[in-house]
Amino acid sequence: EPEVTQTPSHQVTQMGQEVILRCVPISNHLYFYWYRQILGQKVEFLVSFYNNEISEKSEIFDDQFSVERPDGSNFTLKIRSTKLEDSAMYFCASSEGWGTAKSGANVLTFGAGSRLTVL
Amino acid sequence: QQPVQSPQAVILREGEDAVINCSSSKALYSVHWYRQKHGEAPVFLMILLKGGEQKGHEKISASFNEKKQQSSLYLTASQLSYSGTYFCGTERGNNDMRFGAGTRLTVKP
Repeated sequence: EPEVTQTPSHQVTQMGQEVILRCVPISNHLYFYWYRQILGQKVEFLVSFYNNEISEKSEIFDDQFSVERPDGSNFTLKIRSTKLEDSAMYFCASSEGWGTAKSGANVLTFGAGSRLTVL
Repeated sequence: QQPVQSPQAVILREGEDAVINCSSSKALYSVHWYRQKHGEAPVFLMILLKGGEQKGHEKISASFNEKKQQSSLYLTASQLSYSGTYFCGTERGNNDMRFGAGTRLTVKP
């Protein structure tokens, strides 16, 4: 079964450092997402991406965050200058999107997550 | 924009039933239900579309009341494997999924 792959599985960084989290979405999917989950808390929407541009972003996704699809397969989340409160599990997800899915439904497939620890 | 889930947590004995509710203040196109086991990614359970019918998956089913913008997830004769956190995700037809805060379900022997 196709899956979303995320790397690294765990990254430890010092406050103020830049971090790049990588995701390889399912190959025929058109929509890509990043979500964040602080330990034991809810899954928070960060950003959605379609056709090489951001389609929606939340208030969490400020100027410190950016996303990119550099080579047509990878989808990256960059945090420019990490803060302690950025420590969380970051999930990438992808979907076919409405109107293109065989089922007619926009079902998200999640990666296993990248745990970011900021010290 | 984020849906509201209730209750926050449920503890059951094996074989008991539970209902998890999800509501939104915005008009919805679809409601999704996901389950997350501890330390794992959320996994899709089912989707309910506007104008669609009640769905079922094993002994887990769900309904979607479009007029009230509410969905309920029904777990009957719960099994130990049902333990996890259940999230409802809502969409307004713009491919933008927002999740509720989650309901932690614990099933005990």
